[in-house]
Amino acid sequence: QSALTQPASVSGSPGQSITISCTGTSSDVGSYKLVSWYQQHPGKAPQVMIYEVSKRPSGVSNRFSGSKSGNTASLTISGLQAEDEADYYCCSHAGSGIYVFGTGTKVTVL
Amino acid sequence: QVQLVESGGGVVQPGRSLRLSCAASGFTFSSHGMHWVRQAPGKGLEWVAIIWYDGSKTNYADSVKGRFTISRDNLKNTLYLQMNNLRAEDTGVFYCARESLGTFDSWGQGTLVTVSS
Repeated sequence: QSALTQPASVSGSPGQSITISCTGTSSDVGSYKLVSWYQQHPGKAPQVMIYEVSKRPSGVSNRFSGSKSGNTASLTISGLQAEDEADYYCCSHAGSGIYVFGTGTKVTVL
Repeated sequence: QVQLVESGGGVVQPGRSLRLSCAASGFTFSSHGMHWVRQAPGKGLEWVAIIWYDGSKTNYADSVKGRFTISRDNLKNTLYLQMNNLRAEDTGVFYCARESLGTFDSWGQGTLVTVSS
């Protein structure tokens, strides 16, 4: 149950696109479509932004998109806005109901 | 609307026990798997435990296996986490979360547990 690997920080200017990677193993990310992404603002509970690799919950901006290739999942935020500044976590099912989160990425809007 | 409200956090000495509760409302509680997720101060999210919608199965992170027990009362719409033999490294905010399609689609506001002598 090792944490998935994410870059500690990613930054971009308003309007730009950024991509956050999430690297796991063949036992988690590589084996399941149950990969999700969560946004967390300081002092707040996390909120799901992407589920099942690339699906967006209702109410989440279409500027957020997800994908997966092999053992690595990715979250792309296009048209970066000030409100996107937050921590982002990936999460993957790892079998038998067990889940593993990523190490987290702090997104800064310059 | 879906609401999850955690309670039971506080300051506890190492080696002691604490039970967290999560009161659910606004949805059919007995139809969803439920989880506990924690976050140490200034750190990332860590998945802790799952309980199946009917309570038939549970599973735990290696870091808490044998010390924590997740349970639920579907008549009271309440999720629990019994934490025994607490350690300093268990300090953090504990969130309950509803599972839907393998996603934590609703979260509580969290309850803070501080393990300190």
